[in-house]
Amino acid sequence: GPKVLQIPSHQIIDMGQMVTLNCDPVSNHLYFYWYKQILGQQMEFLVNFYNGKVMEKSKLFKDQFSVERPDGSYFTLKIQPTALEDSAVYFCASSLQGWAGNTLYFGEGSRLIVV
Amino acid sequence: GDKVKQSPSALSLQEGTNSALRCNFSIAATTVQWFLQNPRGSLINLFYLVPGTKENGRLKSAFDSKESYSTLHIRDAQLEDSGTYFCAAESNNRIFFGDGTQLVVKP
Repeated sequence: GPKVLQIPSHQIIDMGQMVTLNCDPVSNHLYFYWYKQILGQQMEFLVNFYNGKVMEKSKLFKDQFSVERPDGSYFTLKIQPTALEDSAVYFCASSLQGWAGNTLYFGEGSRLIVV
Repeated sequence: GDKVKQSPSALSLQEGTNSALRCNFSIAATTVQWFLQNPRGSLINLFYLVPGTKENGRLKSAFDSKESYSTLHIRDAQLEDSGTYFCAAESNNRIFFGDGTQLVVKP
């Protein structure tokens, strides 16, 4: 089936540094999402993105977070600067359309550890 | 997905009636989450479960890790309950999603 690839699968970074998480969505998909899951807690919605713009974001999407998809390449989540509480697994997802009933395809996650 | 089987795939309910959605797992699930997909396609958390039950308003969910299934009960269905419901199981630090149940509540 369709695959969403995430790079890196895991990364350890010093607090205050910048990190970019990369997502290669399903090729013909137009809507992209980031979710965050802290160890032992539920997965939480961060942001969704369409046509070069953020469509909606949650309160977890702090000012230090940004997303973009330059020229149809990777859909990226950038955190600058990182904080200890940013340690989590970040899941990328994509869908063909952006409304209920359209299947979300998830990547396997990028595990971020901020030390 | 083949590791998480959701049933039914689609469901039509009369307003005010009750129903249950189910997920069966072929993996050793440690936690289960239930989501409702909002009109913009994003998933909204309904429940996060370790083995046991939780209740929130007209919704109640149960997770039995030994029998490898989870259920989501909807009581007194309302029009705004319409949407696609997903369950997701966590196993070995990975999350596996079901294919969803499309629920339509009719007046």
